[in-house]
Amino acid sequence: ETGVTQSPTHLIKTRGQQVTLRCSSQSGHNTVSWYQQALGQGPQFIFQYYREEENGRGNFPPRFSGLQFPNYSSELNVNALELDDSALYLCASGGILGNEQYFGPGTRLTVT
Amino acid sequence: AQTVTQSQPEMSVQEAETVTLSCTYDTSESDYYLFWYKQPPSRQMILVIRQEAYKQQNATENRFSVNFQKAAKSFSLKISDSQLGDAAMYFCASRYTDKLIFGTGTRLQVFP
Repeated sequence: ETGVTQSPTHLIKTRGQQVTLRCSSQSGHNTVSWYQQALGQGPQFIFQYYREEENGRGNFPPRFSGLQFPNYSSELNVNALELDDSALYLCASGGILGNEQYFGPGTRLTVT
Repeated sequence: AQTVTQSQPEMSVQEAETVTLSCTYDTSESDYYLFWYKQPPSRQMILVIRQEAYKQQNATENRFSVNFQKAAKSFSLKISDSQLGDAAMYFCASRYTDKLIFGTGTRLQVFP
């Protein structure tokens, strides 16, 4: 158990819809990062939040957006869902520099 | 750009034996961190071991140890006394500032 929780566990959406995924960070961690893991691949970095502001972003379009709240919980929002958005979405919390990141159990998103 | 390469899609080992998983990386940074994560079928990424690039001593965590060759940009994981519970996907990752860069993973099977 890492202390990082995510909800929901599974989600099925239709192409074009919008989805919100949630993450609760481990106590004492001030960053939260989101990753997309397609089937059979390693996780790909979407973005990181630090002190409620986006602190870095991977190669993902603007329809992927996020929020971090004062209690270090976070949301990942994806608009205009596409079939290729089907993946496991992982949230990770950690320190701001260099430290290990601790992952939640993930949300499996299926877009039909 | 940082890249991480795992050239072994699958490995197998007999219970109680030793296995080594390979990883190479490419980075222009002098200060970075390297990690091995385990992902069992439950999907949760579990941190196995980490290595700071500025440390010459190889990291060890119980049955898990690494062989860190900085000049060769190689970071292999050795699992000693393999157990059935070690069966999982193993991902090598590097980190500089905000994000983890993952390899494509190695599936480890452990036979009784």
